[in-house]
Amino acid sequence: GDSVTQMEGPVTLSEEAFLTINCTYTATGYPSLFWYVQYPGEGLQLLLKATKADDKGSNKGFEATYRKETTSFHLEKGSVQVSDSAVYFCALSSSKGAGSYQLTFGKGTKLSVIP
Amino acid sequence: NAGVTQTPKFRVLKTGQSMTLLCAQDMNHEYMYWYRQDPGMGLRLIHYSVGEGTTAKGEVPDGYNVSRLKKQNFLLGLESAAPSQTSVYFCASSYGRQGRDGYTFGSGTRLTVV
Repeated sequence: GDSVTQMEGPVTLSEEAFLTINCTYTATGYPSLFWYVQYPGEGLQLLLKATKADDKGSNKGFEATYRKETTSFHLEKGSVQVSDSAVYFCALSSSKGAGSYQLTFGKGTKLSVIP
Repeated sequence: NAGVTQTPKFRVLKTGQSMTLLCAQDMNHEYMYWYRQDPGMGLRLIHYSVGEGTTAKGEVPDGYNVSRLKKQNFLLGLESAAPSQTSVYFCASSYGRQGRDGYTFGSGTRLTVV
């Protein structure tokens, strides 16, 4: 079945450091890929997405490129801020047949940014 | 503000009690979902609906029932709560079946079963 594997956390960085959160996936066909962010006490919010190979999704300084050859969708940000502290989830949307689709999530990576 | 609203936000149940979690969306989305979030497990799909009057099982449906009598509402029921159902429950909705525009999530219901 489909699966998403993302790097174990927690990740602790100093403000203005470079961020990479690795995400790899297993899926049949051509899934759409997403990064969601969950701030403390809140629900998940869509951060960025890519729907086909070589697409780059970007938002709020974060970016990720859909790499079909390596089945990866790593999240990067050049300079993190304290306000970026949250849990980040990689996810994929794939067909389950008969026009049905399902969103599969990774286990999440907690990021803490210290001043 | 448009979005997904979940009620209640917190609840403590005794083993064997029943309850219903309500999810309401005002975005005219066809698709609605119930997930549970447990530490180290990510989000797991409980049940989902592809339109008014339809429901389907997800990854972890046992012990839960759902109903979608109106397009804007998706109810999750626990008939006889068990401690294993202690979790944070999230409702979500989406416009398209592929979810390519992303899912919109509610802020969650924290349920404790003692």
